[in-house]
This record gives sequence, structure tokens and C-alpha cells, in this order.
Amino acid sequence: GAVVSQHPSWVICKSGTSVKIECRSLDFQATTMFWYRQFPKQSLMLMATSNEGSKATYEQGVEKDKFLINHASLTLSTLTVTSAHPEDSSFYICSARDAQGAFISPLHFGNGTRLTVT
Amino acid sequence: AQTVTQSQPEMSVQEAETVTLSCTYDTSESDYYLFWYKQPPSRQMILVIRQEAYKQQNATENRFSVNFQKAAKSFSLKISDSQLGDAAMYFCAYRSARAAGNKLTFGGGTRVLVKP
Repeated sequence: GAVVSQHPSWVICKSGTSVKIECRSLDFQATTMFWYRQFPKQSLMLMATSNEGSKATYEQGVEKDKFLINHASLTLSTLTVTSAHPEDSSFYICSARDAQGAFISPLHFGNGTRLTVT
Repeated sequence: AQTVTQSQPEMSVQEAETVTLSCTYDTSESDYYLFWYKQPPSRQMILVIRQEAYKQQNATENRFSVNFQKAAKSFSLKISDSQLGDAAMYFCAYRSARAAGNKLTFGGGTRVLVKP
């Protein structure tokens, strides 16, 4: 089945530094990828939609300059948390849809990245 | 904007018994897709079952089945013959059928506990 690889699976960084999270579709092409954030014991909240070759679309309330998204190829999207602060600590999950698949085809999820900012 | 509501924060079921999880949603669209995802402690999102809104027949996947009531905007999940491995968070999700509406909107989740 379709696989989405997310790296790293966990990261600890110091306040003020930047962290990059990668999301790769391993065996399919994804023109669109989605970045979600999940706080402990809560649901997944969509942060932004990553579009290959164009600017990402951010959800209301998500700071574009803080959460930089780059979708430079059909198999890779990156999320960079800039100038991270403790409140950015969370679980980040990416997902992607096979561009060749039917529209009903489900999104495939990465395993997530647990970010801890100290 | 679409919203998805799961009114049960937690449900407990005895092994081999049946449990039903509730989900309601709000939308002005007529064509859309609904999903149930399972998130075990590993936090990997696993698709359990999906339903196209234009289909009247309820979807079934082995021990998992849904009761889709379009007029009531209700989409419940029934887990039959519950197993210990079914213990997880379950999320109901909505996706528009519009070409630009690929994104999933999730409900708040229901934690399922399975008692041996």
C-alpha cells in the first residue's frame, strides 16, 4: 500500500531555534499534502495545505512566517517551525493523497513527529 | 465551514461485545465523503471505513459497519465482536467532494476501551 514517511519521528530543540520536518510519499506522487497538529488527547487540526510548485494555503489563525511550508517536488513537503517556543511543542502529522488515485481514495498519513521545545 | 462533532469522549466495551460510536456533522454540501479513522497509541492514523454520501447503502468492513443517515447528518460506527486490538482513539472525518476540497475535517475523537 501507499506509504508516507515522516522524519524525524521525534525532536527536541531549544527555544529560538528552527526545526524542519519532512514528509515524503514513497511510492506515489502527491500534488497536495496536508499538515496537521495534534495536542495531547485532542483531535487533529489542519494547519495548512501544501501544493507542489506553489504557495501553501494556511488555515485561519496559523502564522505563515512561523510555520514555513515548502513542497518542491511531487514526493516531498517540508514544514519548518521557525524560532520555536515551548508552546509550539506538539505532535505534527502530514498526509497525502495519491495524485493518480480516484478522488475518493483516502489520504495516507505519516507516523507523525513529536516536537518538544525546551 | 464544515464541522464534525463526536459527543462521546470515551466508550467502554467488553471484549466480544458491540459498541457504537456517534458522529454528526454540519455541511451545506450535498456531495461529500465520510471516514472513520483509528489512532492507536502509536499515533499512526489508520483508515477504518469510508462512505460516499451519494450511496444509500451503509459501508461495511469486516467487523466495522456504519449507519449513515444523510438527512440527519449522522454517521455512526459500529464495532462488532470487539477485540483488545480495537482499543484506540477513533476519529470521524468529513471531506468535500469538490475538487478543491481535499482536506479532512476531524471530529474531537472518541476513546474506546476494551475490557477483557
